[in-house]
Amino acid sequence: DAGVTQSPTHLIKTRGQQVTLRCSPKSGHDTVSWYQQALGQGPQFIFQYYEEEERQRGNFPDRFSGHQFPNYSSELNVNALLLGDSALYLCASSLWLPNTGELFFGEGSRLTVL
Amino acid sequence: AQSVTQLGSHVSVSEGALVLLRCNYSSSVPPYLFWYVQYPNQGLQLLLKYTTGATLVKGINGFEAEFKKSETSFHLTKPSAHMSDAAEYFCAVSFSGYALNFGKGTSLLVTP
Repeated sequence: DAGVTQSPTHLIKTRGQQVTLRCSPKSGHDTVSWYQQALGQGPQFIFQYYEEEERQRGNFPDRFSGHQFPNYSSELNVNALLLGDSALYLCASSLWLPNTGELFFGEGSRLTVL
Repeated sequence: AQSVTQLGSHVSVSEGALVLLRCNYSSSVPPYLFWYVQYPNQGLQLLLKYTTGATLVKGINGFEAEFKKSETSFHLTKPSAHMSDAAEYFCAVSFSGYALNFGKGTSLLVTP
């Protein structure tokens, strides 16, 4: 049973560029959430997708956008990259119902912005 | 708004000693509370959670936590530390169960 898989694992971009990160949820899960973890900090909630719609959003600018596909996989897009966007981006999957609050995390995509 | 405060960014214990990692939360409604562990270069793994019911919650790897509403705390304990427990530990709170607010984390060092 494959867990949550993310790609790429590492990438380097320059300021102003755009990036797309991908996530496949754990088998049987229908909900995907994205978190940003800066160095030495806890993860911060970006947004959550269910039934191909953004259901909740944290305090992140519109430069951060996402998508969920019919097979429940998801993408995180970040436009106009800033140095401060350098972080580990974590994807987490879960079930919408029943809502147990338990998230299964991938190993993350580490983004470095130069 | 819900938030958590983890007291102590670094905790060091000897192998075999008691592990105590502190977490206090603020929430205007009954919270869901979680402890996650993160090993180097890995994602987060759920240790245990409190949603409703029994306030003493047992998790994986011998960890447990007690929800104390009067103290707004959810401290994580383990009677005897093992070298393999060295990792980063995160407390998290949610009122919906869907979006989690994480603390800044506590790095646990276990010495021989």
